[in-house]
Amino acid sequence: AQKVTQAQTEISVVEKEDVTLDCVYETRDTTYYLFWYKQPPSGELVFLIRRNSFDEQNEISGRYSWNFQKSTSSFNFTITASQVVDSAVYFCALSDQRNAGNMLTFGGGTRLMVKP
Amino acid sequence: EPEVTQTPSHQVTQMGQEVILRCVPISNHLYFYWYRQILGQKVEFLVSFYNNEISEKSEIFDDQFSVERPDGSNFTLKIRSTKLEDSAMYFCASKPYGGMVNYGYTFGSGTRLTVV
Repeated sequence: AQKVTQAQTEISVVEKEDVTLDCVYETRDTTYYLFWYKQPPSGELVFLIRRNSFDEQNEISGRYSWNFQKSTSSFNFTITASQVVDSAVYFCALSDQRNAGNMLTFGGGTRLMVKP
Repeated sequence: EPEVTQTPSHQVTQMGQEVILRCVPISNHLYFYWYRQILGQKVEFLVSFYNNEISEKSEIFDDQFSVERPDGSNFTLKIRSTKLEDSAMYFCASKPYGGMVNYGYTFGSGTRLTVV
């Protein structure tokens, strides 16, 4: 069965610090997708990134970067120079081929608090 | 940019009452989903729907739940007799393609259901 683990339930940093959110996944499939979503206090799910299992290149988007390592089944997310607006719950998710509906399996989320 | 629209944003209902949560997926999307998030917990898959039938459902999606696409644009989730533990945020999602093509997986902003 597929599983996503976000071991850090809560992280608190001071503005301008760098922070890394960890995500470890389990799947028996060789083809799968990994996602990160941000959930601000308003509650909606904001899509951040999608990565397929054949693309291990790291990605950078502004202050955000993602490190995908198949050898350790991890897909970690780093925010550089954090800002108060980054305060949110961040979810990592996985979709593989084992289900007909291609649903997402979410991790438990990491609550990030960035203090001024 | 096309959106998945959910109504209402917040619904309060008495225990034992039936409730219908409504979603309008993106118009050219073919795959539809409902997810649930109990306050402070992770997002959980409920059901996926394609070609006018359920393609996958979770253990949470018991006989109290049903889904329907009544008119080609709306996608509804009905809870037949609500319980206190049904209180949660319910997210609708849709995507255009099947298989492992997970581009365009789009979430609505959610309906917060409170059962009293």
